[in-house]
Amino acid sequence: GAVVSQHPSRVICKSGTSVKIECRSLDFQATTMFWYRQFPKKSLMLMATSNEGSKATYEQGVEKDKFLINHASLTLSTLTVTSAHPEDSSFYICSARTGPRHYEQYFGPGTRLTVT
Amino acid sequence: KQEVTQIPAALSVPEGENLVLNCSFTDSAIYNLQWFRQDPGKGLTSLLLIQSSQREQTSGRLNASLDKSSGRSTLYIAASQPGDSATYLCAVRTDNTDKLIFGTGTRLQVFP
Repeated sequence: GAVVSQHPSRVICKSGTSVKIECRSLDFQATTMFWYRQFPKKSLMLMATSNEGSKATYEQGVEKDKFLINHASLTLSTLTVTSAHPEDSSFYICSARTGPRHYEQYFGPGTRLTVT
Repeated sequence: KQEVTQIPAALSVPEGENLVLNCSFTDSAIYNLQWFRQDPGKGLTSLLLIQSSQREQTSGRLNASLDKSSGRSTLYIAASQPGDSATYLCAVRTDNTDKLIFGTGTRLQVFP
């Protein structure tokens, strides 16, 4: 149980284009999902917390107009990187929480984004 | 601001050795601490979760301890195997924000 998927697993896009990454909870409903970014050989940095039906809460320093998050259903959250630049190239990982505050988070397999 | 540090950053050992990975955090007001494993280019696999009221958790060859007052946790891996090679991350969940703050990771290589 508690499986989280991400799609796509890898994506290459050109500078200036937008790319959407999906995060799905497959066997549970997730009122809250989290988006992380990981640079090579670095740890995970929380970008934003996504709550179903409401606006995402972004961490300090994360541009909300560049990283659009939509959590339209209890099983799906999307992250759209708008007007992508090479410095946006990174590994993006989502997680979903199975219950209220302090419940365990389950992580997706990640999406490798390369912007050329 | 909570900061999580892991030592060593990298470790290379022959199989069969018993290992200790260290995690320290600056703010002891945590709700729980979790150890993860990450294989190259992959997501995270949860290994052990220790609640703030607990001292340790065990799963197979893995044992994690928590000393909340001193801001430390250790992950003990017994009889290491090449399949244990991965990056190990610890993360703390703070009481008031419910966020997971990740450590810098320990990259482990176990060679035959």
